[in-house]
Amino acid sequence: QKEVEQNSGPLSVPEGAIASLNCTYSDRGSQSFFWYRQYSGKSPELIMSIYSNGDKEDGRFTAQLNKASQYVSLLIRDSQPSDSATYLCAVPNSGYSTLTFGKGTMLLVSP
Amino acid sequence: DTEVTQTPKHLVMGMTNKKSLKCEQHMGHRAMYWYKQKAKKPPELMFVYSYEKLSINESVPSRFSPECPNSSLLNLHLHALQPEDSALYLCASSQGTSGADYTDTQYFGPGTRLTVL
Repeated sequence: QKEVEQNSGPLSVPEGAIASLNCTYSDRGSQSFFWYRQYSGKSPELIMSIYSNGDKEDGRFTAQLNKASQYVSLLIRDSQPSDSATYLCAVPNSGYSTLTFGKGTMLLVSP
Repeated sequence: DTEVTQTPKHLVMGMTNKKSLKCEQHMGHRAMYWYKQKAKKPPELMFVYSYEKLSINESVPSRFSPECPNSSLLNLHLHALQPEDSALYLCASSQGTSGADYTDTQYFGPGTRLTVL
């Protein structure tokens, strides 16, 4: 079973700042990575997926993947209080349509 | 459209009750999942159905019984639950094209908040 590590936080940033969330994984063969956002009491919502080394941008969100160093990060630009949530990093398990989740990082954006 | 629906939103049941959770998707996905999530923990996989057949059971107690009546529906039958089974139960679906397709993406329903008294 692969491992996916995230700092549980909370990560506190002021409104308008860049929030940087990090995730490391143990399986060097992993090829895809997913970021889910989960508000308290709600279900996980997919916000980004990334498959290739480098950056992928979608609005205020940028996912960065470095397979050599086995880490994937999520940058949130111009952070808003509405971004306050837990962010889950997920990595597929080889040969199965299942995911290994990190424990999640709680992000708090203060006005 | 990436919508997965779940009913009911909330459920309170006693330890002797029998109840069912329902999940539906109309995205043509062939893989469906049940997860259990406790507070401040990541989702914990319970069952996977692939092409309407149970493909993974993560050693879940028999008081949880999954059923996949057709490719769009997934049920979770509950019987003789314990208070520690209280949690958010999440359904998810994906294309289910197998692990060789590393782009297979899971979409979650809103969940059912279950309380066992």
